[in-house]
Amino acid sequence: EAQVTQNPRYLITVTGKKLTVTCSQNMNHEYMSWYRQDPGLGLRQIYYSMNVEVTDKGDVPEGYKVSRKEKRNFPLILESPSPNQTSLYFCASSEDVRTEAFFGQGTRLTVV
Amino acid sequence: AQSVTQPDIHITVSEGASLELRCNYSYGATPYLFWYVQSPGQGLQLLLKYFSGDTLVQGIKGFEAEFKRSQSSFNLRKPSVHWSDAAEYFCAVGTFSGSEKLVFGKGTKLTVNP
Repeated sequence: EAQVTQNPRYLITVTGKKLTVTCSQNMNHEYMSWYRQDPGLGLRQIYYSMNVEVTDKGDVPEGYKVSRKEKRNFPLILESPSPNQTSLYFCASSEDVRTEAFFGQGTRLTVV
Repeated sequence: AQSVTQPDIHITVSEGASLELRCNYSYGATPYLFWYVQSPGQGLQLLLKYFSGDTLVQGIKGFEAEFKRSQSSFNLRKPSVHWSDAAEYFCAVGTFSGSEKLVFGKGTKLTVNP
């Protein structure tokens, strides 16, 4: 079954404690991206990757890091999380930006 | 920079009524346009997309959308809404010139009354 898998689904953490949200896809897609969803703001792109070792900033990259060492994985790293990063995060993959994006189930992150 | 505007934050319709959700975009080149739906507690699912050709595109679940270049619009329509259509709908524009980005509107929440 084609899918994008994010882990964990829910996470409560404290300010400043580094965390990683994993994302894996099994569709051999070139393009992967991370979004955050906040009430009234829709989805905003954090980072995207067009291929292995190729990443670029989206619209809200501050406070986040990503890496793309393998085609299937695209982890999101918060080196020093802050309360304003409390949000619902989605990973997505597609062949490229012109094609259908497949979304993970989301990770609800709370930073206290 | 590209942007997407969904003017309606929340729309309520009765079951069986017609629906139109508005979307306006701003992008200098040919846009790649999408509508996604998000059911409560779920990820997003593609309803339909437009790249070129016929400006009226058909999607899943009985939805269609019409691309109007002169109005920079890509409105989503459905002739008869079902209770299961209650969800949040997002319009998005993809750019493919230099950087590949997907920009979403803020969404329109649809409530369906019985």
